[in-house]
Amino acid sequence: QKEVEQDPGPLSVPEGAIVSLNCTYSNSAFQYFMWYRQYSRKGPELLMYTYSSGNKEDGRFTAQVDKSSKYISLFIRDSQPSDSATYLCAMSAIQAGTALIFGKGTTLSVSS
Amino acid sequence: KAGVTQTPRYLIKTRGQQVTLSCSPISGHRSVSWYQQTPGQGLQFLFEYFSETQRNKGNFPGRFSGRQFSNSRSEMNVSTLELGDSALYLCASSLEGQLRYEQYFGPGTRLTVT
Repeated sequence: QKEVEQDPGPLSVPEGAIVSLNCTYSNSAFQYFMWYRQYSRKGPELLMYTYSSGNKEDGRFTAQVDKSSKYISLFIRDSQPSDSATYLCAMSAIQAGTALIFGKGTTLSVSS
Repeated sequence: KAGVTQTPRYLIKTRGQQVTLSCSPISGHRSVSWYQQTPGQGLQFLFEYFSETQRNKGNFPGRFSGRQFSNSRSEMNVSTLELGDSALYLCASSLEGQLRYEQYFGPGTRLTVT
């Protein structure tokens, strides 16, 4: 079992839809959870950063962490064509230093 | 504030050669991490440098090495290149303390080994 599992998609939605992206993990020591967006031929861009459990909201984006289920989610409201990208979850444990363990990414396509 | 810069952006090398990639972090960031991204394995952690010292290392062979200079700029070296080393190599920088997990990535260097 890989430490971080993420459905690669692709996920196709119409403009304005609510998008739900998810990752599961196996290492209960993970405490830092991140979501990155990566456009084609670009480096990953940090979208959301959450420590431990709970929700965090930033504009159209909401990140949720459920440590009891070892499950994290990213919700995108009112999706736009500019949201079309690959979304990567990443996480780390304090003992691992700053080494981030990444999911393989979900490719999202938002059509106008 | 300028972002993380990486040079060169593209590189083509022959099997058996060696290569050096460069990374300049965001001003004020002293931690630099390197990652390899491939379609099959995704993003994998290579190593992290802080204050010119390697602080953490991923599960890669000794052919992969790096260093950091006093101005926080970092270089990564791969010796005796193999076809499987073809990948996008990404550098990320961060602050310290609680913010060390907020890593900001450069555009990457795409290495092709023929």
